[in-house]
Parts: sequence; structure tokens; C-alpha cells
Amino acid sequence: NAGVTQTPKFQVLKTGQSMTLQCAQDMNHEYMSWYRQDPGMGLRLIHYSVGAGITDQGEVPNGYNVSRSTTEDFPLRLLSAAPSQTSVYFCASSYVGLQYFGPGTRLTVL
Amino acid sequence: AQTVTQSQPEMSVQEAETVTLSCTYDTSENNYYLFWYKQPPSRQMILVIRQEAYKQQNATENRFSVNFQKAAKSFSLKISDSQLGDTAMYFCAFSNAGNNRKLIWGLGTSLAVNP
Repeated sequence: NAGVTQTPKFQVLKTGQSMTLQCAQDMNHEYMSWYRQDPGMGLRLIHYSVGAGITDQGEVPNGYNVSRSTTEDFPLRLLSAAPSQTSVYFCASSYVGLQYFGPGTRLTVL
Repeated sequence: AQTVTQSQPEMSVQEAETVTLSCTYDTSENNYYLFWYKQPPSRQMILVIRQEAYKQQNATENRFSVNFQKAAKSFSLKISDSQLGDTAMYFCAFSNAGNNRKLIWGLGTSLAVNP
């Protein structure tokens, strides 16, 4: 079992560029989520999904898009990157309330 | 709305001693889960311990134990025989027991274990 994988580990973007952060899990979990982590702010929920074809917004969804075409994959898209989106991004999948986290992606927007 | 509060932004402890990290939460639910996660400098989020609200017995995992006070909505983490590898950010989190399993997070406590 690979658990939850995220790619890339590091990324630098210019303002206005778009990109997709990939997330995959091999545990057949229905629930997946994306967080961003900023100093002093803890983890904030961006988007989540309770199963294939179903997504919903979290606390800070603006500027991000998600889709869930399969149980395994839950990509996060940045439509037009802004410096305020500089952060560490975590993907997680969940079973009976227990969340399993990926290793994170450190994103810098210049 | 549910909230999780960690009132200690930073703490330190000497190696081999015991330290307790505080967490309080607010909810009107009767059935839920509480968690402590550890985030070392490697950035990986690691589950330390989980407590189910309907269980009265406090959860323990080796050197880690919790003091779960449901009426007081308190969920503190005790680390015994602290080790240098325990140096990390510690996050308290809450989750409903229903289908919507969103985690509500505290802002974290930075723990330094000193030699």
C-alpha cells in the first residue's frame, strides 16, 4: 500500500499560471480532502469529496477547483495562481473519521 | 459551529520528563471523534492517538495518553518520558461521527524537547 501520494513535492509558479496538484490513494476510501497550511493558521479545508462524482467546498475554496472522477484520484487545480496561494498543500483520505495524509506539496507563487 | 482551541502556542520540556498539551472543543453533537496529530519538521502529518466520544476509557498509545473529559469538552494529550524525536507541532482535531467527516483543527502547539 502506497497510502496517499501527492505530486509534485515542490512547485514554483508565476502569478497567473495554472497548475494541478495530484493526489491519489489506494485504500479505497470514499472521503478525500485538500487542506492548505500557513504559519499560525493551522490547516484550512479547501475542498472535499465524499465519493466519486461528489465534491463540496470547504473554508477557503476561492481560486481552486476539484473533481473526483474515480475513488482513487482527487486533483486540485489552481486556476490563476496568486501570491496569496503560496502555502503547503496536503491531501488526505479518510475512513471512520481517521484521516491519512499525503506528504504535502510546497507551492510558491512569485 | 464546532471549534477546537489549543491555548498553548509553544511549550518545552526536558528529555525524559512528562508534558501535557491542552485542547478544548465545542460541539452540540453527542457522538464524535477526537484526534491528536503530530507534525515533525519533515512536515508529514502523523496520527498520534484517537478517541471515540462514546468510549469513557481514555485512549493510550505507548508513551502517549489522553485525558478525555466529555462534560468539560476537554481533550488533553500527555507525553511521558519525552524524547528528542517528540519535538514537533501537535494538532488537536475534531470530527463528527456521521457521513460528513470533516476535521475541525486547532491551531497547534509547538513542542520542543530539550536535551
